[in-house]
Order: sequence, then structure tokens, then C-alpha cells
Amino acid sequence: GAGVSQTPSNKVTEKGKYVELRCDPISGHTALYWYRQSLGQGPEFLIYFQGTGAADDSGLPNDRFFAVRPEGSVSTLKIQRTERGDSAVYLCASSLSRGSGELFFGEGSRLTVL
Amino acid sequence: DQQVKQNSPSLSVQEGRISILNCDYTNSMFDYFLWYKKYPAEGPTFLISISSIKDKNEDGRFTVFLNKSAKHLSLHIVPSQPGDSAVYFCAACDAGNNRKLIWGLGTSLAVNP
Repeated sequence: GAGVSQTPSNKVTEKGKYVELRCDPISGHTALYWYRQSLGQGPEFLIYFQGTGAADDSGLPNDRFFAVRPEGSVSTLKIQRTERGDSAVYLCASSLSRGSGELFFGEGSRLTVL
Repeated sequence: DQQVKQNSPSLSVQEGRISILNCDYTNSMFDYFLWYKKYPAEGPTFLISISSIKDKNEDGRFTVFLNKSAKHLSLHIVPSQPGDSAVYFCAACDAGNNRKLIWGLGTSLAVNP
């Protein structure tokens, strides 16, 4: 499809494990965002990429969280030593450029840490 | 502290009537505002936006009003349709700040046939 694709759609893991979440943005979109949405909350900004570089990672909660976008397209959000509090829906969005107000979101990856 | 507040967690209206969803913000640096709609198990989808240089933006059945002095915006849907039933999120950003959106908690709208 032509939309933002996220995999896996659901991930259940045990506390302490390592997790990778993948985002494939809309072709040609240079800006890519990761947000996290906990139950009953609005999405919370994590990190923004413009091309290959992380232009703003101020939303990453701690150093267990890391994201890459090596070729300026697909991005991977990596979470080390997962904790129960990391359980949330992780949303990826892309846009044509930094100046575009409209972000196109994927369906999210629901992470459950037991 | 919530910089973007949606004080009504839910709203129920009859089909054909007007739905009004409200949003307040505290950060005077915000200059771009967006409404997103979210169905269960889907990502948010963009609905309508407004720049702080305007006080109204209309797109079909959807109109967003911005009152900068009151730091308040509202989304009007008229006429409401059952397919409009979803969670509506208000989001805001400082346009120079990488489009880092700050979101409200959402309002769940139910449009009854």
C-alpha cells in the first residue's frame, strides 16, 4: 500500500528483553516521526528524523531507547532492557518535509511488556 | 502539565446535528493547530488544520475556529454522521519546532443514528 507501514502490529515480550519496531514511511517523505501513545493519553513525541539524521531526539525517555534511519527511508526504533512501563502503542508518522503540517500515521505497533 | 487540553473525554450527539469539540492550550508559542481523528486499532488520520494567522478554516462538513486571545479552538462537524464516531485529538506545535506536535488526551465522539 501507499501508506505508512509498521511492523510488527503486536509484540508481546518479557521484561528485560530487547525489542525492535520497524517503520516504512510513505515513499518520498523526508521527515519521519516516532510517537508513543499510552492508554487514555494522546500521542507523545519521541524522535524526529529529517533524512538520515535525528534532528530532534528530545522525546526519548532514556538511553534504553534508540532509533535509526540509515538510508533516509525505513526507520527502526530499538528498546533495550524493556520495562513494563514501556507498554504502549508506538506510532510512526511521515511527512513530505519539515514544513508540512500534515503527518501521515501508520497503524502503530502495540508493545506489551510482561 | 498538559499544554493542550481537551476537557471533555466524551461527547454524544444525534445524527444530523452539530458536534462541537473543544480544545484549550497554554503555550503562546504554538502557532499551528491540527485535528486528528482516530478509529480503534488505527493510527490517527489528519482532519483539518489552522494557522495562527487565521481564525477560521473550513473543509466540507468540518470547520475549525481559533480564538488566540482565549487560547481556545474548536472543531465543528455539521451535519454529524454515524461514521464520524471516533476519538478526536487536538494537536498544536510551534511551526519552527520541527513539527513536534503536542497532543490533547482526545474526545470520544459518538454520533447516534
